[in-house]
Amino acid sequence: AQTVTQSQPEMSVQEAETVTLSCTYDTSESDYYLFWYKQPPSRQMILVIRQEAYKQQNATENRFSVNFQKAAKSFSLKISDSQLGDAAMYFCAYRWGGSEKLVFGKGTKLTVNP
Amino acid sequence: EPEVTQTPSHQVTQMGQEVILRCVPISNHLYFYWYRQILGQKVEFLVSFYNNEISEKSEIFDDQFSVERPDGSNFTLKIRSTKLEDSAMYFCASSRERDEKLFFGSGTQLSVL
Repeated sequence: AQTVTQSQPEMSVQEAETVTLSCTYDTSESDYYLFWYKQPPSRQMILVIRQEAYKQQNATENRFSVNFQKAAKSFSLKISDSQLGDAAMYFCAYRWGGSEKLVFGKGTKLTVNP
Repeated sequence: EPEVTQTPSHQVTQMGQEVILRCVPISNHLYFYWYRQILGQKVEFLVSFYNNEISEKSEIFDDQFSVERPDGSNFTLKIRSTKLEDSAMYFCASSRERDEKLFFGSGTQLSVL
């Protein structure tokens, strides 16, 4: 069974600093996708970034980037120049290419200190 | 940006009662989903729906659950006889194509007493 593990229940960062959130996953599939979702206090899940497993290049979206280590099955999220609005729960998620189901990790609560 | 709309935001019901959670997906989207998040636990997939039928469901989605797209705009999740353990935040989501970005609604918090 595919699993997603986020080993950091909580993280904190100073405003304007950089923080990295960890995620590992377990799969025997070769065709899959990885995602980071942000869940602010409003509870709506918002897609931050997405990575296709077949792509070697790490995905980036403005201040957000990933470090995708396929062999190690690791998919960390780096947030640069952290802003107060980045404070939220962050969920790592996996989807096998042959399925429509997202498998989520337990989440990391990120606090941004002014 | 277009949004997925869920109503109500909170629903309280008695154990054994039927509830219907409502969602209005983004208008040109073709794939629809329900997820739930029990307090303090992971977000869990319930069901996906495409072309007016269930395309995939989890082991959680038993005979007590059903989904429907009754009028081409709404997408509903029905729980026939609620149990205490059905208390959770239920999220609706939609996407235009299967491999495109998934848009989530803000959720319905269901409390079963």
